[in-house]
Amino acid sequence: DVQMTQSPSTLSASVGDRVTITCRASQSISGYLAWYQHRPGKAPKLLIYEASSLQSGVPSRFSGSESGTGFTLTISSLQPDDFATYYCHQYNHYPWTFGQGTKVEI
Amino acid sequence: QMQLQESGPGLVKPSQTLSLTCSVSGGSISNGGYYWSWIRQHPGRGLEYIGNIYYSGSTYYNPSLKSRVTISLDTSKNQLSLRLSSVTAADTAVYYCARGLSDRRGYHQFDYWGQGTLVTVSS
Repeated sequence: DVQMTQSPSTLSASVGDRVTITCRASQSISGYLAWYQHRPGKAPKLLIYEASSLQSGVPSRFSGSESGTGFTLTISSLQPDDFATYYCHQYNHYPWTFGQGTKVEI
Repeated sequence: QMQLQESGPGLVKPSQTLSLTCSVSGGSISNGGYYWSWIRQHPGRGLEYIGNIYYSGSTYYNPSLKSRVTISLDTSKNQLSLRLSSVTAADTAVYYCARGLSDRRGYHQFDYWGQGTLVTVSS
């Protein structure tokens, strides 16, 4: 299975901060990576797909990038609604696998 | 507005079969542009992919669960189902259904998820 190593596991930040979360794949996934936001009790929400494409309706403060097997989710200016847990997900090799999650807290 | 809602028993006894349903509204599960998946999250742990199904009936199951899993579609009710047999405490988790995009290149990201349902395996 493709291992997705996500870091950090927890991130403390303030409103207005620039936040970066990284995910590294154990092998090439050809850019087939998505980022999701998950708030407690809510359905996970797609933010980014194919490493850097912004899902329709998602604010432009969210962005994704790729460098080899490393992937980054950036929130340019953290807003109150952004305090949540974020997961990366590779969908190039079965079984699909996910990062362990990054909890963004105040 | 696409919505997915999981339902089923919150408590299952060891060795029994876990059965969950995902009710889909706002779109048809027979739409060939999508595939349908089940994912679970053990308490305090990451997400684990269980498997998927396409409207044609084609399925994929995670090899770690393949011998115990069945995913099916009921097009008349616009629902997908999950059955996991011979459960143990290790199957205690929040179970999610999700819709993924499908095109000629294959299966891709999940654009809609349900809120998840907690299933506890205990006697």
